Amino acid sequence: DTGVSQDPRHKITKRGQNVTFRCDPISEHNRLYWYRQTLGQGPEFLTYFQNEAQLEKSRLLSDRFSAERPKGSFSTLEIQRTEQGDSAMYLCASSFPAGGPGSEQFFGPGTRLTVL
Amino acid sequence: DQQVKQNSPSLSVQEGRISILNCDYTNSMFDYFLWYKKYPAEGPTFLISISSIKDKNEDGRFTVFLNKSAKHLSLHIVPSQPGDSAVYFCAPGTDKLIFGTGTRLQVFP
Repeated sequence: DTGVSQDPRHKITKRGQNVTFRCDPISEHNRLYWYRQTLGQGPEFLTYFQNEAQLEKSRLLSDRFSAERPKGSFSTLEIQRTEQGDSAMYLCASSFPAGGPGSEQFFGPGTRLTVL
Repeated sequence: DQQVKQNSPSLSVQEGRISILNCDYTNSMFDYFLWYKKYPAEGPTFLISISSIKDKNEDGRFTVFLNKSAKHLSLHIVPSQPGDSAVYFCAPGTDKLIFGTGTRLQVFP
């Protein structure tokens, strides 16, 4: 299977703990995106990379959140000092460079985070 | 501010009939529009897209229509099948996608 993969699929943590999620994109794609989806809402953009460069961060991404893509392949999203409001589905997507047909984003299955 | 609105949270359609899902947006700078389908506990799956230079794009049972002057797009599914039951999101954008709140489609036999 050459789709986008995410690990873990589920994470339950206590408030105040740090968590880290991993995303492995489709190998040919040099763009990688992180989104967050809460109940009843559509996914909300968090940040994206082209190769190893982080090109944009949403204001939703507080200073407790950090994302990296050190070698331009997989990416990690870390949340420090988790809060109950961080409970959500965290989605990763990858694509070719943006610009119309052929640059559609393909999503992984997501990581469901529950903060107790 | 909600840049993308899907005003129908749910839609129920009989198998074989047409499903029409609607989406309104406010930002006239959007030039590329995508539709995604999402099953529970899965990530969104790309369905069909349309560029702002077109007003219609068709792929099998799925057709997307774009009315730029009204800032409105719609997804037509015909004939609808039970396997189409899912949540559908419209998502304008290029680098970052702006998702609507989704419409839950249920296709019943």
